Amino acid sequence: ILNVEQSPQSLHVQEGDSTNFTCSFPSSNFYALHWYRWETAKSPEALFVMTLNGDEKKKGRISATLNTKEGYSYLYIKGSQPEDSATYLCASLNAGNNRKLIWGLGTSLAVNP
Amino acid sequence: NAGVTQTPKFQVLKTGQSMTLQCAQDMNHNSMYWYRQDPGMGLRLIYYSASEGTTDKGEVPNGYNVSRLNKREFSLRLESAAPSQTSVYFCASTMPARAFQETQYFGPGTRLLVL
Repeated sequence: ILNVEQSPQSLHVQEGDSTNFTCSFPSSNFYALHWYRWETAKSPEALFVMTLNGDEKKKGRISATLNTKEGYSYLYIKGSQPEDSATYLCASLNAGNNRKLIWGLGTSLAVNP
Repeated sequence: NAGVTQTPKFQVLKTGQSMTLQCAQDMNHNSMYWYRQDPGMGLRLIYYSASEGTTDKGEVPNGYNVSRLNKREFSLRLESAAPSQTSVYFCASTMPARAFQETQYFGPGTRLLVL
């Protein structure tokens, strides 16, 4: 089983701060990298699916970049708000996994008002 | 459009009891998945069904069985529940659009406690 690692494990920021966290994934036979947002007591919701090296995606104040050669993706949140508090998961799809995603443990973000 | 639904939302079982977790999706998706989520661990795939009529094991299939009843429904059965199966179970579905770009749509989860 290939590993996907996320850092930091948890993060506390003040409202208005910008923040970013990292997802490291296997670069060999890479197909796609997913980001999900998971609020407490809810189910994960998709943010982005990224496939191309250098790809950058944006959704409101949240954006993500992808480096498939070195196997990492950054998620950025600009001007964090309390409603951004959630766990952010990434998952990698690589050849040999038969379309099964390998999930990271997530970064837990708490935004203090 | 309800998306992915799961029943029950919460269940308490005694060791050795059996139960079936139900999942249904109304998005005409081909693929369906069962995950478990435990503290300190990522989502782990139990079983999946790439299409109606097929099922395959994931990372942690032991102690579980599945049935892809039709395109909409994918059930997970615990034949003899054990305390180690205490977890939150999520069902998900995907419609492969372009190859490997498969956003997963998750149900609300079933919290299972095995005493």
